[in-house]
Amino acid sequence: QKEVEQDPGPLSVPEGAIVSLNCTYSNSAFQYFMWYRQYSRKGPELLMYTYSSGNKEDGRFTAQVDKSSKYISLFIRDSQPSDSATYLCAMSLSGAGSYQLTFGKGTKLSVIP
Amino acid sequence: NAGVTQTPKFQVLKTGQSMTLQCAQDMNHNSMYWYRQDPGMGLRLIYYSASEGTTDKGEVPNGYNVSRLNKREFSLRLESAAPSQTSVYFCASSSPDLAKNIQYFGAGTRLSVL
Repeated sequence: QKEVEQDPGPLSVPEGAIVSLNCTYSNSAFQYFMWYRQYSRKGPELLMYTYSSGNKEDGRFTAQVDKSSKYISLFIRDSQPSDSATYLCAMSLSGAGSYQLTFGKGTKLSVIP
Repeated sequence: NAGVTQTPKFQVLKTGQSMTLQCAQDMNHNSMYWYRQDPGMGLRLIYYSASEGTTDKGEVPNGYNVSRLNKREFSLRLESAAPSQTSVYFCASSSPDLAKNIQYFGAGTRLSVL
């Protein structure tokens, strides 16, 4: 079993739709959870991060972590064509000195005008 | 406001040639990383440097060497390039002493080995 599983898509939605992106993981020691957005031919950029369980909201984006189910989600409300990108989940252990991130393989999203 | 800068952006090599990918960050981060990204494989860690003067192997280190030149710069060397090393290479940096280990990425180097 891979440490982090992420459906690669592609996912295609109409403009204005609510998008749900998800990852599951197997290592219960993960404490920090991140979502990166990667536009075509660009480097990944941090979109959101959360610590442990709970929700975090930033504009149209909401990140959710359910540690009991080992499941994280990213919701995008009122999706826009500019949201078309590949979304990567990532997670890490807690504490100073945790040098490695474990990434999902990414979900490619297309928002159709 | 440069962040992480990678050079070159594109490179074509012949099998057996060598080259060095350069990376520099201006965020005063202690840790730096090299990844490769291949279709269907996601991001895979090649090497990382937790702090100046240290380097460690990641998931796929074979065929690569690294040098942490100073706090700002971390280079990746291919001594004898192979077609299997055709990929997009990303450098990243972070400050794990802040406990989050949020990594910031460069724009990437697209490498083709013929």
